[in-house]
Amino acid sequence: DSGVTQTPKHLITATGQRVTLRCSPRSGDLSVYWYQQSLDQGLQFLIQYYNGEERAKGNILERFSAQQFPDLHSELNLSSLELGDSALYFCASSTGLQGTDTQYFGPGTRLTVL
Amino acid sequence: GEDVEQSLFLSVREGDSSVINCTYTDSSSTYLYWYKQEPGAGLQLLTYIFSNMDMKQDQRLTVLLNKKDKHLSLRIADTQTGDSAIYFCAERGLWGSSNTGKLIFGQGTTLQVKP
Repeated sequence: DSGVTQTPKHLITATGQRVTLRCSPRSGDLSVYWYQQSLDQGLQFLIQYYNGEERAKGNILERFSAQQFPDLHSELNLSSLELGDSALYFCASSTGLQGTDTQYFGPGTRLTVL
Repeated sequence: GEDVEQSLFLSVREGDSSVINCTYTDSSSTYLYWYKQEPGAGLQLLTYIFSNMDMKQDQRLTVLLNKKDKHLSLRIADTQTGDSAIYFCAERGLWGSSNTGKLIFGQGTTLQVKP
């Protein structure tokens, strides 16, 4: 158990809908990262937050947005869903401090868009 | 650009050593990581190496880094059936760059351990 929690574990929805994925980081970690794992794209970095502020952005679509709240949990919002958005979405957390800054991953949310 | 390559599949017999290879392109990479993913599970950190090191050993795991060739390998000694999983190598760039924290992953190597 990495200490990172994600809910829900599975999500099935229809095209055009909007969903919210939630992540709680390990105790003491200030940084949260979102990654998407799909068969064709592999593991892709989406976005990083540090202590409530966006720090780095990857290949995140404009239909997707994220935020980190004062209690440090994070939410990833996916809207106008398409079939191709079906994937495993991982959240990771780290201290966000210089150095090793190892990322610990949650169990993921499996999103299926029908 | 940034790219990490791994072979897709490796099959070994229980008790043998496994060597999983990885190449990367970003010469400014500071840390390189190995993660393990079992079916239906998240990514478990196995080990990491700092770019100024050549080797790191942690119980059955040995990481070798050839910075000149940008080649990383993970050796698992005495491989067990419980080691069957997908292994990902990942690189992290220079601290303070605009991509601080971003991990670039390889495609993953599926390790099959036969009894």
